[in-house]
Amino acid sequence: GDSVTQMEGPVTLSEEAFLTINCTYTATGYPSLFWYVQYPGEGLQLLLKATKADDKGSNKGFEATYRKETTSFHLEKGSVQVSDSAVYFCALIQGAQKLVFGQGTRLTINP
Amino acid sequence: KAGVTQTPRYLIKTRGQQVTLSCSPISGHRSVSWYQQTPGQGLQFLFEYFSETQRNKGNFPGRFSGRQFSNSRSEMNVSTLELGDSALYLCASSRTGDRENTIYFGEGSWLTVV
Repeated sequence: GDSVTQMEGPVTLSEEAFLTINCTYTATGYPSLFWYVQYPGEGLQLLLKATKADDKGSNKGFEATYRKETTSFHLEKGSVQVSDSAVYFCALIQGAQKLVFGQGTRLTINP
Repeated sequence: KAGVTQTPRYLIKTRGQQVTLSCSPISGHRSVSWYQQTPGQGLQFLFEYFSETQRNKGNFPGRFSGRQFSNSRSEMNVSTLELGDSALYLCASSRTGDRENTIYFGEGSWLTVV
């Protein structure tokens, strides 16, 4: 079946550092790909998405490019802030509204 | 525009009891799905409803059930609660459930089974 693999966490960085969270997927077709973020005690917020190969999703300084050849959707941000501390989930969807999530990566940014 | 609303936000139940969680989707959204989040298993899909019909179901026992009403509001029910059912239950909605639609999540209902 479809699956998503994220880099193991937790990840700890200093403010203004460059961030990369790796995400690779396995799917039989051509899924849409997402990054969601979860702040402490809250639900999931959509951070960005891409629906076809070579699409780049971007939001709040975060970017991710849908790479079909490497089945990847790595999340990047050039300069992280303390407020970016959260858990990040990579996910895919194929067919009717069934998101498949990675295990999540906890990110902590120190001032 | 109101987001996905879930009630109650927090609840504590005893083993063997049952629980009903409620979800109001974003206005105009007809697809509602439910997910369970636990530290051990992560985020797992429970089921999805569209126009009052269940279209998709995850790998959960029959104790987990749901329904959707004509106004698109949805409820999920867990009967004969077990300790392992303690989790954050998330509801999500989108316009039609197609892969191009953006899926929005609620804040979740925190269930503790004691």
